Amino acid sequence: RKEVEQDPGPFNVPEGATVAFNCTYSNSASQSFFWYRQDCRKEPKLLMSVYSSGNEDGRFTAQLNRASQYISLLIRDSKLSDSATYLCVVNRLWGKLQFGAGTQVVVTP
Amino acid sequence: GAGVSQSPRYKVAKRGQDVALRCDPISGHVSLFWYQQALGQGPEFLTYFQNEAQLDKSGLPSDRFFAERPEGSVSTLKIQRTQQEDSAVYLCASSPRTKEETQYFGPGTRLLVL
Repeated sequence: RKEVEQDPGPFNVPEGATVAFNCTYSNSASQSFFWYRQDCRKEPKLLMSVYSSGNEDGRFTAQLNRASQYISLLIRDSKLSDSATYLCVVNRLWGKLQFGAGTQVVVTP
Repeated sequence: GAGVSQSPRYKVAKRGQDVALRCDPISGHVSLFWYQQALGQGPEFLTYFQNEAQLDKSGLPSDRFFAERPEGSVSTLKIQRTQQEDSAVYLCASSPRTKEETQYFGPGTRLLVL
């Protein structure tokens, strides 16, 4: 079983709609959590950190549920430019990041 | 400012050939990481340097893989006797401090072994 699991999608989302997806992690000792965004044939880029209290960054909201060991990402008012693969990332030690395989989001006009 | 750079961007190797992949981290960054990303998968950790010290190499898939960072800046990932299963994108990332969590990724080297 992989340490970080995600629904691969694709999630096909009309422009302006809301989309949400989760990931689960298996190691309860995980210390910090992130969402990265990866465009096709590009490197991953940090989208946002995820905190237990939940946090927002513009149209993006991330939540962490430590008891159930899942992380969620919600995108409101989707833009065409939000089309990408979203990687759920867990940090257990000093920076040794564990990545999920990614959730593909396709925003359509 | 300059980000993480990697070279070459693309490499085609014949099976059995040795390859060397270079990473130039952001200037002054203490931590450097190598990841391997297979098609359709997320990046997988290979190894970690703090300055010139290789503190974790638990992710290196075999003893054909070797990484170094002799002066604590530029790093090289070497793969000896390449195999087809080594075909992947090799990503380098750096971060400013030892426990800094934000990692800045380079564009990757796309390796194809024929």
